[in-house]
Amino acid sequence: EVQLLESGGGLVQPGGSLRLSCAASGFTFRNYAMTWARQAPGKGLEWVSLISGGGDDTFYADSVRVRFTVSRDNSKNTLDLQMNSLRAEDTAVYYCAKGGWAAAADYWGQGTLVTVSS
Amino acid sequence: IVLTQSPGTLSLSPGERATLSCRASQSPGSTNLAWFQQKLGQAPRLLIHGTSSRATGIPDRFSGSGSGTDFTLTITRLEPEDFAVYYCQQYGSSPYTFGQGTKLEIK
Repeated sequence: EVQLLESGGGLVQPGGSLRLSCAASGFTFRNYAMTWARQAPGKGLEWVSLISGGGDDTFYADSVRVRFTVSRDNSKNTLDLQMNSLRAEDTAVYYCAKGGWAAAADYWGQGTLVTVSS
Repeated sequence: IVLTQSPGTLSLSPGERATLSCRASQSPGSTNLAWFQQKLGQAPRLLIHGTSSRATGIPDRFSGSGSGTDFTLTITRLEPEDFAVYYCQQYGSSPYTFGQGTKLEIK
């Protein structure tokens, strides 16, 4: 059974940093690209970032480029999102998902809430 | 690629047919369009990938179609559990954008 468990969310001040993690199980992690998406309170889904299975290729939404960095550890089956220079508009539930590159993201975690506020 | 979904809200009764539209500002490729269902407080659930292929476990009352820049999700014979928000997403060209969503509500 595919399982994705996000962690690391919380309250952070504007300008601060936070690192999200996603622990994956139930599939051969290194064989799949992984996606981060987010959803601000009461709003729609926003695609954030994607990393290829080997980690060599990364892609970002314009809204987070330069500030966010996606990485993965295929030996530990973990996906990370380092978020710097956080803004109020980054407040959202952040989801990790399996796939998303040349194939739809077919399994999603339950999300972790990031709140950027002073 | 900007995805525009219509209508914003669709009010129907159980047993009716729902037709949801997703229009792209440019073609994402005929096989790079997905539909997701999201219920309040839950993660998105993949319904359709490759424009018209149902994901594992999705009932056959859900179907996807389209090509070029116009795509459609059709739900025949609405069940009570189908009332939710639906998103299209293109994964043909980064950034892999979502539409703004269509809320399907009970009339």
